[in-house]
Amino acid sequence: DAGVTQSPTHLIKTRGQHVTLRCSPISGHKSVSWYQQVLGQGPQFIFQYYEKEERGRGNFPDRFSARQFPNYSSELNVNALLLGDSALYLCASSKDSINEKLFFGSGTQLSVL
Amino acid sequence: SQQGEEDPQALSIQEGENATMNCSYKTSINNLQWYRQNSGRGLVHLILIRSNEREKHSGRLRVTLDTSKKSSSLLITASRAADTASYFCATDEGGSNYKLTFGKGTLLTVNP
Repeated sequence: DAGVTQSPTHLIKTRGQHVTLRCSPISGHKSVSWYQQVLGQGPQFIFQYYEKEERGRGNFPDRFSARQFPNYSSELNVNALLLGDSALYLCASSKDSINEKLFFGSGTQLSVL
Repeated sequence: SQQGEEDPQALSIQEGENATMNCSYKTSINNLQWYRQNSGRGLVHLILIRSNEREKHSGRLRVTLDTSKKSSSLLITASRAADTASYFCATDEGGSNYKLTFGKGTLLTVNP
């Protein structure tokens, strides 16, 4: 079975632009979570979606938004990019919403210039 | 916010030696997990220990949990060069059922 897939793998944007990151969960997984990982730090929680509903949101500004589609894939959108948004964005899926074992994708490395 | 804090930040050992990493957290938890990350890419789940458990084993991994001290340790026995990675603890801070709170991680280097 395929693992969690994320696209694109790398992205370079300039300040003020908008970006959309995509994630396909493992087949049969209904929960998708997004994490931001800045170099040298642990991942920080952004969103969790379960059965297409937002279950939780981390301490991120409204410039960050996400959604989950009927096939359980997900998009993370970031508007008005700032230099500080440069990070590795990780998507993780799990069978249910409890987060007792997350399966992570390889991430999207976003650089904002 | 970072809940778990790993110690040490970096650890360098020789192949065959044991590696011990520690994690401290601040609030009540239902469970604590350890993940491994190779070269800044995706994380891989290693083991989960529940708040009513004190010790758990999985292959060469041994995890302990002391809820009175709000701390956990991960022991990797007979380390291999392939164990070189960053290791993170993650908790369901305050019993959250929708997010994990990760520490800053320990970078383990196993020298051949």
